[in-house]
Amino acid sequence: EDQVTQSPEALRLQEGESSSLNCSYTVSGLRGLFWYRQDPGKGPEFLFTLYSAGEEKEKERLKATLTKKESFLHITAPKPEDSATYLCAVQAKGYQKVTFGTGTKLQVIP
Amino acid sequence: DTAVSQTPKYLVTQMGNDKSIKCEQNLGHDTMYWYKQDSKKFLKIMFSYNNKELIINETVPNRFSPKSPDKAHLNLHINSLELGDSAVYFCASSQRGVGVSTDTQYFGPGTRLTVL
Repeated sequence: EDQVTQSPEALRLQEGESSSLNCSYTVSGLRGLFWYRQDPGKGPEFLFTLYSAGEEKEKERLKATLTKKESFLHITAPKPEDSATYLCAVQAKGYQKVTFGTGTKLQVIP
Repeated sequence: DTAVSQTPKYLVTQMGNDKSIKCEQNLGHDTMYWYKQDSKKFLKIMFSYNNKELIINETVPNRFSPKSPDKAHLNLHINSLELGDSAVYFCASSQRGVGVSTDTQYFGPGTRLTVL
């Protein structure tokens, strides 16, 4: 069965203090790995899809990278508005189902 | 323009009642999903429909019954509500990928169900 483990569970950063969130996964043939952002009381908001090891994608202060066993979401010089829960998910080849991790709750303090 | 919408946003009801949650998407997608998010924020797939056909049916009590009248709508009916059904329910939609592409899912705002 597909598994996704995210760490840390919670992360508190000073504004401008760069860091990384980790997503370790086990899947029988990766079709895609997804990163989502979820604000309190809202639905997950799509950020990135990564398809193969070595791939990188960037959006503003966020950069997602992928290896054969894990993905990192790097946050450069975060701002308070980056505070949210970040969710990682995987989809196996040949399957429609997407398996989510439990997320990393990020708090950026001014 | 709301891409994936759900009604109601909040639902408070008594144990034993029957309730429905509605979902609509205007993205032109052919696949829709229902997820349950528990108090620990874990998102778990419940059902998925592709062009009105059920393609994912996880281990969910048969008190939960999805219905897809067309590919833009997916409703969730829950019979005999129990305390443990209290959670946030999210609807999502995607366009089924072809070849190496994937099915990026877009989520609705959620329905917070509280069973008293």
